[in-house]
Amino acid sequence: EVQLVESGGGLVQPGGSLKLSCAASGFTFSDHYMDWVRQAPGKGLEWVGRIRNKANGHTTEHAASVEGRFTVSRDDLENFLYLRMNSLKIEDTAVYYCARGGRIGNAQNDYWGQGTLVSVSS
Amino acid sequence: DIQLTQSPSFLSVSVGDRVTITCRASQGIGSYLAWYQQKPGKAPKLLIYAASTLQSGVPSRFSGTRSATEFTLTISSLQPEDTATYYCQQFDSYPLTFGGGTKVEI
Repeated sequence: EVQLVESGGGLVQPGGSLKLSCAASGFTFSDHYMDWVRQAPGKGLEWVGRIRNKANGHTTEHAASVEGRFTVSRDDLENFLYLRMNSLKIEDTAVYYCARGGRIGNAQNDYWGQGTLVSVSS
Repeated sequence: DIQLTQSPSFLSVSVGDRVTITCRASQGIGSYLAWYQQKPGKAPKLLIYAASTLQSGVPSRFSGTRSATEFTLTISSLQPEDTATYYCQQFDSYPLTFGGGTKVEI
């Protein structure tokens, strides 16, 4: 059974940093692209960033709103996905989901974690 | 960036109704579009991918179609458990983008 479990969310002050983790199990993690998607309270879904699989060099893409502040990374030995968030802003407050992509690009997110809440406030 | 315009943003319907939600892309994305269902407090659930392919385990009352840059999600006969917000997503090019969502209430 595919499982994605996020952790690491919490309350942080503006300008602070946080690192989210997503533990993956039930599938060959290294084969898949992985994404972070967030949802601000009462709002829609916003894609945050992606990391490609091992076969595609673990390269990354990030949304413009987080470029230079957030970094997606992964550990294929331990089956973890990460999101390092620096210089946090109030508008980064959201539930952050990790989601499984395909074995190639141009693929949907077929499994999602339950999400972890990040609150940025003074 | 590719914009996805969903309509309507809200639907009030009855059990058994046929429901149609539209998602228009600002430029061509081929069939690289998915539909998700999200219930309050829960993660999104994949319903349809590649514009018209039903995800395994999803009831057959859900279907998707494509006409050029216009995509449609149809629920043939709405059930009480279909109360949710529905989102489209394009995965043709970066940044990946979502539509604004359609909330379906009974």
